[in-house]
Amino acid sequence: DADVTQTPRNRITKTGKRIMLECSQTKGHDRMYWYRQDPGLGLRLIYYSFDVKDINKGEISDGYSVSRQAQAKFSLSLESAIPNQTALYFCATSEVGAYNEQFFGPGTRLTVL
Amino acid sequence: RKEVEQDPGPFNVPEGATVAFNCTYSNSASQSFFWYRQDCRKEPKLLMSVYSSGNEDGRFTAQLNRASQYISLLIRDSKLSDSATYLCVVNIASWGKLQFGAGTQVVVTP
Repeated sequence: DADVTQTPRNRITKTGKRIMLECSQTKGHDRMYWYRQDPGLGLRLIYYSFDVKDINKGEISDGYSVSRQAQAKFSLSLESAIPNQTALYFCATSEVGAYNEQFFGPGTRLTVL
Repeated sequence: RKEVEQDPGPFNVPEGATVAFNCTYSNSASQSFFWYRQDCRKEPKLLMSVYSSGNEDGRFTAQLNRASQYISLLIRDSKLSDSATYLCVVNIASWGKLQFGAGTQVVVTP
């Protein structure tokens, strides 16, 4: 089984709808991240969490919210989806430390019409 | 100016040839550097970390030039399976925040 899983893998929705993307991990890592990837741009950090009680905004958090329900679960919500939130979303995890690899989930392809 | 810049390519490489490409970064305080590989809109995976003295992992060699603020990746004896997008990644904060480049596409042809 994959260490980092994301659901759904693909989602098409309409403008104004609320969407939740879920991430689960079995790696036992404390740190979890949400990124979005757009063509021609690098991955951009939306939110990150160092533990269940610690949530931090990344560089593009507007229009998004997150919830860290447990060490292993980190969900991303779009309260009112808009077309420019169409992107590929990745969840990632890592151990504590500046030099540690981040492990990514398979991604969620979200289309907002 | 982007914090991490890469030539998007594609670099078209005959099988067996060598290809090299660079990445520049703007934050001189960056502490650690990585190359990740991403296949066709799949998740990025760590290819190798880049150490100050340069390092090699099989056919892959990474080098860091702090004075000029760039890192490089060289692939020798290219295989068809090396076709992918290579992401240059820089740690820009003490807690481990990563800044990703947009990627360099490599296409290895028979």
